[in-house]
Amino acid sequence: EVQLVESGGGLVQPGGSLRLSCAASGFTFSSYSMNWVRQAPGKGLEWVSYISSSSSTIYYADSVKGRFTISRDNAKNSLYLQMNSLRDEDTAVYYCARGQLWFFVYWGQGTLVTVSS
Amino acid sequence: QSALTQPASVSGSPGQSITISCTGTSSDVGGYNYVSWYQQHPGKAPKLMIYEVSNRPSGVPDRFSGSKSGNTASLTISGLQAEDEADYYCSSYTSSSTVVFGGGTKLTVL
Repeated sequence: EVQLVESGGGLVQPGGSLRLSCAASGFTFSSYSMNWVRQAPGKGLEWVSYISSSSSTIYYADSVKGRFTISRDNAKNSLYLQMNSLRDEDTAVYYCARGQLWFFVYWGQGTLVTVSS
Repeated sequence: QSALTQPASVSGSPGQSITISCTGTSSDVGGYNYVSWYQQHPGKAPKLMIYEVSNRPSGVPDRFSGSKSGNTASLTISGLQAEDEADYYCSSYTSSSTVVFGGGTKLTVL
């Protein structure tokens, strides 16, 4: 059974940093691209970032470019999102999602990031 | 990266059919057959319902169907059931090698 479990969310002040993790199991992690998608409270989905299976290709949404860094460790079956210079508008539930071309079949349960002073 | 345009809400009675539209541009919806649709119940993670415009993942009822014409994609749900009440989001690959979602549509089953 495919499982994606996010962790690392919490309360952080504006300008602060946070690192999210996503632990994958039930599939060959190193064979799939991965993504982060977020959802602000009461709002819609927003794609955040993509990383290819080998980490050779990475893309970001304009809203996070230069502040967020996606990475993965295939030996540890883990996906990461380093978030720096956090803003109020980054407050959201962050989901990791397994990519299949440009759609997402498997999602984690999400981890809440709250940016507030 | 402007969000795709969806109606904020749609409604229908059990057994009826509804269609949710998703309008983009030639740089996303109109330019690629990488339109997907997701269903999200409150407090839950999204669930993939349609991928690559009109394909259904295994386990998704054939009451759900997708199509595209020009820059507008559509999700049709026939034979509405109470459990279909949820938020629905479309998404598309873009010419910038990113993914853009629609604003979401709340489906109410009357």
